[in-house]
Amino acid sequence: DAGITQSPRHKVTETGTPVTLRCHQTENHRYMYWYRQDPGHGLRLIHYSYGVKDTDKGEVSDGYSVSRSKTEDFLLTLESATSSQTSVYFCAISVGRSDEQYFGPGTRLTVT
Amino acid sequence: ILNVEQSPQSLHVQEGDSTNFTCSFPSSNFYALHWYRWETAKSPEALFVMTLNGDEKKKGRISATLNTKEGYSYLYIKGSQPEDSATYLCALSSGNTGKLIFGQGTTLQVKP
Repeated sequence: DAGITQSPRHKVTETGTPVTLRCHQTENHRYMYWYRQDPGHGLRLIHYSYGVKDTDKGEVSDGYSVSRSKTEDFLLTLESATSSQTSVYFCAISVGRSDEQYFGPGTRLTVT
Repeated sequence: ILNVEQSPQSLHVQEGDSTNFTCSFPSSNFYALHWYRWETAKSPEALFVMTLNGDEKKKGRISATLNTKEGYSYLYIKGSQPEDSATYLCALSSGNTGKLIFGQGTTLQVKP
């Protein structure tokens, strides 16, 4: 499982509340990614990180922010959750020169 | 924005049938093509990474080919089994940041 954990695994929250999801890895990989799963779209990249304090936007970054203060943790924050952000969120790390990615177990977020 | 297309969107076959699906991608800026297997309620798992035109990879009954000049990859499953039921994702890597652009996936259902 490449030593990736996500927390929480499930969360229900109300519209307008802030939410932070955590991705933790144990193997000091440089690159980390946050994706969301949407029907008909597969996986879409929200944000990614290429090192401590180095992050950049993906294709669906609006409404999300990230932080990476240490190598092992990559945090995804929804500043003010909306119903359109109900989804399953996957964290991933990139390994090797071929950029093979390994995924965490996912966090199911429901915004009511 | 790079666009990765997969077809068909879904596929229903009988146990024992062989099947294949297609991933199409822009042939410019190619670095690597990835295939993932994604079972319901689980995380995507890497199947293959291919980088060279003409690459062929095989894992058990599953194989894949790559044509970078024309921008497509095929995934083949020989003698499908019910446990092959999953969504199969392809993803394109541009190599700069390890970012992957995913197709929307092909969902395979194998009936016993």
